Amino acid sequence: KNEVEQSPQNLTAQEGEFITINCSYSVGISALHWLQQHPGGGIVSLFMLSSGKKKHGRLIATINIQEKHSSLHITASHPRDSAVYICAVLPLGAGGTSYGKLTFGQGTILTVHP
Amino acid sequence: GAVVSQHPSWVICKSGTSVKIECRSLDFQATTMFWYRQFPKQSLMLMATSNEGSKATYEQGVEKDKFLINHASLTLSTLTVTSAHPEDSSFYICSAPWGGSQHFGDGTRLSIL
Repeated sequence: KNEVEQSPQNLTAQEGEFITINCSYSVGISALHWLQQHPGGGIVSLFMLSSGKKKHGRLIATINIQEKHSSLHITASHPRDSAVYICAVLPLGAGGTSYGKLTFGQGTILTVHP
Repeated sequence: GAVVSQHPSWVICKSGTSVKIECRSLDFQATTMFWYRQFPKQSLMLMATSNEGSKATYEQGVEKDKFLINHASLTLSTLTVTSAHPEDSSFYICSAPWGGSQHFGDGTRLSIL
């Protein structure tokens, strides 16, 4: 079993729909990242969370440390949101810095149709 | 914002060739950079941690003589795939931490014929 599991693996939505992607992990962590990978391969860090909730535009990320679970929500989805969304955790004790040596989920492929 | 530049973005070469990939932090200093590999439809896998001025730390199963890492300055790390073979064909991407987040290069797609 992977240390980081995402669901669903594939997600298709119509423009305007509310989208949720889930991430569960099995190890203690100091932080969790949500990343967006575009078809060309480039990766953008959307959020880094260690507790609670963060919002940026139409994107909302939440984390429940006790339940070892995080969700990424996209409100009013748009075709340009189509990408692979990756959950990555920084395990406790992973190196001397507070960010590095991430463990990645397998990614969720999101396709938003107009 | 913090930018990480990776070059080249795409390489096609013959088996046996050595290929060098550069990762630069453009507007910040990075004492640590990370190199990842991603096979099609798979997750990113950390290959090694590049440390400025010292030897890289390789993950289990990654051959350090095959994947040479040099981090000679605070803004540049290089990954050289030596004597590349078709099974080395993959997507290679680097990242550097700064400002409480992780900043990724755009990746290099390597195809060995």
